[in-house]
Parts: sequence; structure tokens; C-alpha cells
Amino acid sequence: DAGVIQSPRHEVTEMGQEVTLRCKPISGHDYLFWYRQTMMRGLELLIYFNNNVPIDDSGMPEDRFSAKMPNASFSTLKIQPSEPRDSAVYFCASGPAGPQETQYFGPGTRLLVL
Amino acid sequence: SQQGEEDPQALSIQEGENATMNCSYKTSINNLQWYRQNSGRGLVHLILIRSNEREKHSGRLRVTLDTSKKSSSLLITASRAADTASYFCATASGSRLTFGEGTQLTVNP
Repeated sequence: DAGVIQSPRHEVTEMGQEVTLRCKPISGHDYLFWYRQTMMRGLELLIYFNNNVPIDDSGMPEDRFSAKMPNASFSTLKIQPSEPRDSAVYFCASGPAGPQETQYFGPGTRLLVL
Repeated sequence: SQQGEEDPQALSIQEGENATMNCSYKTSINNLQWYRQNSGRGLVHLILIRSNEREKHSGRLRVTLDTSKKSSSLLITASRAADTASYFCATASGSRLTFGEGTQLTVNP
């Protein structure tokens, strides 16, 4: 099993640019989560999907952030326009059995916005 | 605000010693989980203990849960240099997991 796959692994961009992060969950997992990790705020849940439908997006910081899951094997997190305070590690995780059960994390995308 | 708070923030021990990390939380939970994160990597699930359980074992890991004190502990026995990582507790309530800030464990060879 390949695990959760994220791309790119590293992204450096300039303020104002659009950033798109990609995630392929583990096959058969019905839940997909996007998290952000920073030194100041720790690991925060941004949004999660169940069967490709967004269920809870209360953690999305503002309208500049959007997430989609067009099918069971692919999700994107987009930031437009990006700002320096968006610099963080963004993790995608998937799970087979609900938002309170075991989650399987990808390797993360380290984003730096200059 | 973070639901779980780990203690200590950092722990340094010698290989072969036991390591104990604690997690306290504020509200009622359905379960509590522990994850490990190696530097520059994603989180890896270690163990899940449900609110009606008091103790659980997995290999060299022992987790306890005291719901009356709203606290949990993770014990790693006979530590190895490869156990060096950050350890996070995650509390399950309100249809989500909420992660603490982690304990950085360093195991010196």
C-alpha cells in the first residue's frame, strides 16, 4: 500500500501567487482531512470530506482557502492569493472509519510564501 | 484552543530507559490517540484507547487513560535511538480529532 500521497513536497512561492496542494488518499478510505501545522498554532484541522463531500470546513482560515474532492482518489487545497502567514506544513490524511477514528497521514507539503 | 496538552514539552533519555509522556484534556472524549512524528515527516498512528478502556498495550507501548482526571499517559519501554521523535496526543470529540502541541523525545545512544 502506497499510503497517502501528497504533492508537491516543497513549494516556494511569492506573495499573491496561487498555490495548489494535491492529495491522493489511501484507496478505500471514505474520509479525507486537510491539516495545517505551524510552530505557533500546532496542528489544525482545516476541512474534512466524507465520500467526496465537504462535511466540516470551519477550520478554513478565510475565503482565500478552498478545497475540492472531485473523486474518491484525489483532493486539492488551493490558496489564492497566498500570503506569508500561510507558510506552514500542510498535511493530508485519510481514514476508513470516521473523523474520530484512526487517521493515516501523508508526508506533508512544506509551503513557504515569500 | 488545543484540547490536549502534553507534558513534558521535551524529554531526553538514554537508550534502554523508559519514557513517559502525559496528556491532559478539558472536555469529555470518545477516544484518545497517540501519534508519532519524525522530523520532516507525517504523523504515524501509534495507539487508540476508548473512553471505556483504562489501559492498552502495543509492543513496547503502554497507554493509560483516566477519564476522571481527564488525563492519559504514554509509556515507551526499553527506548531506542529510533524512538526519537515528537509524540502527540489527539482527543476525539465533537466529530474531530484535536491534537496537542507534542512532546519532543530524544533518545541518546
